[in-house]
Amino acid sequence: AQTVTQSQPEMSVQEAETVTLSCTYDTSESDYYLFWYKQPPSRQMILVIRQEAYKQQNATENRFSVNFQKAAKSFSLKISDSQLGDAAMYFCAYRKANTGNQFYFGTGTSLTVIP
Amino acid sequence: NAGVTQTPKFRILKIGQSMTLQCAQDMNHNYMYWYRQDPGMGLKLIYYSVGAGITDKGEVPNGYNVSRSTTEDFPLRLELAAPSQTSVYFCASSYSHSRPGELFFGEGSRLTVL
Repeated sequence: AQTVTQSQPEMSVQEAETVTLSCTYDTSESDYYLFWYKQPPSRQMILVIRQEAYKQQNATENRFSVNFQKAAKSFSLKISDSQLGDAAMYFCAYRKANTGNQFYFGTGTSLTVIP
Repeated sequence: NAGVTQTPKFRILKIGQSMTLQCAQDMNHNYMYWYRQDPGMGLKLIYYSVGAGITDKGEVPNGYNVSRSTTEDFPLRLELAAPSQTSVYFCASSYSHSRPGELFFGEGSRLTVL
């Protein structure tokens, strides 16, 4: 079974600084998808960024970018110019491509943004 | 476009009572899921469905039942509520025929069993 590991239960960052959240996963598949979801105190799960394993280029969405290392099975999220609204729980998730009907989530990283 | 709609948002149940959490999506997604999230924890899959009439157990199905009679609706039934079912429940959907087919979540339903 696939596993997703987030080794940082809590992280903090100064406003306007950069922070990197770590995620590793275990899979024997070659084609799969990876996601970062944000869960603010309102508890709505929001998709932050996604990466397709066959694409070598790292995904970027405004201030959010990933460092996808396929051989190392690592998928870290970098938040640049951190804002107070970035404070949330962040979950890394994996899904197998094609017939993959299950998503596997990490245990989350709680991000605090210090004014 | 409403996305994924869950009702109710909050509910308090007494031990032994039953209830149904409703979930509907208007995106014509074929896959639907129910997750529970305990305080400070990640998401655990309860049940999922890959299409109307097809459901399957996830990681923590005991004490729950589901049905999928239409593409749009995927209700979760709690029978004989227990304190261990106190949690936040999320319904989600995805479309398997698109890449990468990310999950779209409802706003969550907070259930307390006393």
